[in-house]
Amino acid sequence: AQSVTQLDSHVSVSEGTPVLLRCNYSSSYSPSLFWYVQHPNKGLQLLLKYTSAATLVKGINGFEAEFKKSETSFHLTKPSAHMSDAAEYFCVVSEKNYGQNFVFGPGTRLSVLP
Amino acid sequence: SQTIHQWPATLVQPVGSPLSLECTVEGTSNPNLYWYRQAAGRGLQLLFYSVGIGQISSEVPQNLSASRPQDRQFILSSKKLLLSDSGFYLCAWSSAGVGGELFFGEGSRLTVL
Repeated sequence: AQSVTQLDSHVSVSEGTPVLLRCNYSSSYSPSLFWYVQHPNKGLQLLLKYTSAATLVKGINGFEAEFKKSETSFHLTKPSAHMSDAAEYFCVVSEKNYGQNFVFGPGTRLSVLP
Repeated sequence: SQTIHQWPATLVQPVGSPLSLECTVEGTSNPNLYWYRQAAGRGLQLLFYSVGIGQISSEVPQNLSASRPQDRQFILSSKKLLLSDSGFYLCAWSSAGVGGELFFGEGSRLTVL
């Protein structure tokens, strides 16, 4: 069975400093992994996805994530936070044998301080 | 390109009243369709998913139901709303098959009074 753990429910950074949002997963099969961002009262927007190509994945708005199979991790990073990055972030896993089964992490709320 | 539309954006309904939320997808065919609910300050809960017309799988037993009358139309309904039905409802689609990502609508905020 799949599961996703987001180790921090809330992360607070200063504008211009690096962002690290942590995600660990468990999966019985070869997983696809995703990061989504949600601004208040909005739908979720895909930031990036890993589907067994390059392990370092670049996404929109300067975000990237690295798939580490040995650590079962898929942490999201950004070198320099911007005020507009303040939002909720969800890590998601999908097993390739079950296309309709997406498992969401509980989310990490990112605050960016001026 | 593909787009997903969801409406209404906000809804305030009394307890015991009916509900209908609608979602349509454009620019793709035979998508997988999903309804999620997000309670205040909490993560996403999958309510229903559909892999084809008339094929609905329910993940959570409740007083909600879903229907897929057309390939790219997904409707969430209730005959009698409960206070606990309040939340943010999100429709999403993914390509048929495996490995693809979810694409979300803008959401519908339901408040039951």
